[in-house]
Amino acid sequence: DAGVIQSPRHEVTEMGQEVTLRCKPISGHNSLFWYRQTMMRGLELLIYFNNNVPIDDSGMPEDRFSAKMPNASFSTLKIQPSEPRDSAVYFCASSGGTGGWEELFFGSGTQLSVL
Amino acid sequence: TQLLEQSPQFLSIQEGENLTVYCNSSSVFSSLQWYRQEPGEGPVLLVTVVTGGEVKKLKRLTFQFGDARKDSSLHITAAQPGDTGLYLCGGNNAGNMLTFGGGTRLMVKP
Repeated sequence: DAGVIQSPRHEVTEMGQEVTLRCKPISGHNSLFWYRQTMMRGLELLIYFNNNVPIDDSGMPEDRFSAKMPNASFSTLKIQPSEPRDSAVYFCASSGGTGGWEELFFGSGTQLSVL
Repeated sequence: TQLLEQSPQFLSIQEGENLTVYCNSSSVFSSLQWYRQEPGEGPVLLVTVVTGGEVKKLKRLTFQFGDARKDSSLHITAAQPGDTGLYLCGGNNAGNMLTFGGGTRLMVKP
């Protein structure tokens, strides 16, 4: 298996532009997570999907952020409009269960820079 | 919100030294995981601990889960440059969601 695949690896955009980050989870995994990592705030959970349904989005910073999972093999995280403070590394992770102790498999992340 | 605090935040040591990093919380966790992250990559799981007082060993790494399941430690014996990275602890207490601490950034110099 190729693991969790994220695209793009790097994104540079200007303030006010729309940004869409993409994720393909590991085949067969039923849980998907979006995290954001910065030096100041560490690794923060943004949203959690189970069986394509959003279960908890309490970590989504504000209405400018939205996430979708139209099917089991694809998810997007959209920021509209983007702001400089959104600059961070965004990780997608998937896991194969709901027991609470399953391993999270992370993608390599998308480095987002908003100028 | 369950807050996980990791200490120290940064650690720079020489090859061959021993070290311990800590992960503490006021909340009880049903399970706790340790991950290591290298630059430009996502975190990779090292171990999962579930039972209070549990000790797990992974070669030169020893992980312990506190009796009350509120804290954990990672001890590395005879550190090597390959151990360099960001060590993250993540606690699970709300279904399937993992909350991470701020991490310990370890550098092992040859």
